[in-house]
Formats: sequence, C-alpha cells, structure tokens
Amino acid sequence: AQSVAQPEDQVNVAEGNPLTVKCTYSVSGNPYLFWYVQYPNRGLQFLLKYITGDNLVKGSYGFEAEFNKSQTSFHLKKPSALVSDSALYFCAVRPRGYQLIWGAGTKLIIKP
Amino acid sequence: DGGITQSPKYLFRKEGQNVTLSCEQNLNHDAMYWYRQDPGQGLRLIYYSQIVNDFQKGDIAEGYSVSREKKESFPLTVTSAQKNPTAFYLCASSSQGDLSYEQYFGPGTRLTVT
Repeated sequence: AQSVAQPEDQVNVAEGNPLTVKCTYSVSGNPYLFWYVQYPNRGLQFLLKYITGDNLVKGSYGFEAEFNKSQTSFHLKKPSALVSDSALYFCAVRPRGYQLIWGAGTKLIIKP
Repeated sequence: DGGITQSPKYLFRKEGQNVTLSCEQNLNHDAMYWYRQDPGQGLRLIYYSQIVNDFQKGDIAEGYSVSREKKESFPLTVTSAQKNPTAFYLCASSSQGDLSYEQYFGPGTRLTVT
C-alpha cells in the first residue's frame, strides 16, 4: 500500500537553531511532494512543493525542503527557527493519477 | 485561509441528527475536497469533486453525502449513519488542470455530536 511516514510525532528545537521535520514515502512512480503547516484550530497553509528539477525547494516563511529520490524522503528544513514556527506540519504525497496521501503530522515546538 | 469559507466554525448536534457543513470558494477552482481530521492522524479524504455535478468517494465516504450544484459550493452532510462524526472537517480546493497544483484550505468546522 502507498504510504507517507512522518516518523516523529513531535520535534523540539531552541529558537535560532536549525530545524528538520522528516518525511519519507512509499509510492509508485514519481510523485508530487508537498508540505503544509497548520496553526491551532485553523485550516492548512501550503508551504512548498517538489514537482521536478532541483532537489532543494524553497518555500514560504524561510522554509525549504530537500528531495532525496534514493531514500524517498522529503525533509522540511529551516536554518534558524522562530518561536512563531511552532505549529503542526504535514507532509503530503501525490502519486501521478491519485489523490493526496497525507502523513500523520509532526508537532514542531520552538522554545525561546 | 485564501478565498475559502466554511461555516459554522463550531457545530453541536445530537446523535441521530443529520447536519450540513458549508464550503464556498471564490478562487474559480474546479476541484473541491472534504477531509476529516482526527488527533494524531493525517487528513482523510471523504469526498472530492473535479467538476460541477460530479463527485467521487474518498477513503471514508460511508455516512457522508455531498452535492456540487455550483462551482463555488461543495456542502457536506454528515448523516446519522456516520458512527463517529465528532471531528474537525476541512474543505479544500485546487485548480484541476494540473495535478501538481497545491490545495487551498478553509478554516475548518469543528463538529461535536453528543
């Protein structure tokens, strides 16, 4: 079965430090890859996506993600975390011809 | 939350009652989606529609129904047949021409059934 894994339920980072939120997937073919962020009791906001090309994708709010085809991973990164980055982050994968498959989400906590 | 409105924000119903959640978009998007979100789980697709007057079941359609009479509107009815309806419901839309397009989400409706 096709799946998306976010192996960490929660990630804790000190403000100013770099952050990484992990995502791996198991789908057929060359999927489209997405990251979304959700603040409490709100809808999801799109951060960035990988379609093709450069393995490092830059997105909103200083976030970027690195696509690794051999490891089927799409980790979200930011060089310097802000307290306001604290939120729930979702990885989503769209195999060609299918609907989105969502990870379970990772809660990111940035401590001052 | 970019051009998609959901109402109401909070909804309380008694068990056995049907309830309809509203979703409207002014983004001129062809495709619309309904998701259910439960704590500790990713989003689960209930129904989606790629064009007016047509919709398809998602992974958890049982106990739900939808209609798509207008491009802008995609209401979701939670019927009494849904065994565990208490959840956060999210509506989304996207351009249909290219499946690489991201989805835009509404603010959500939190439904509590007692």
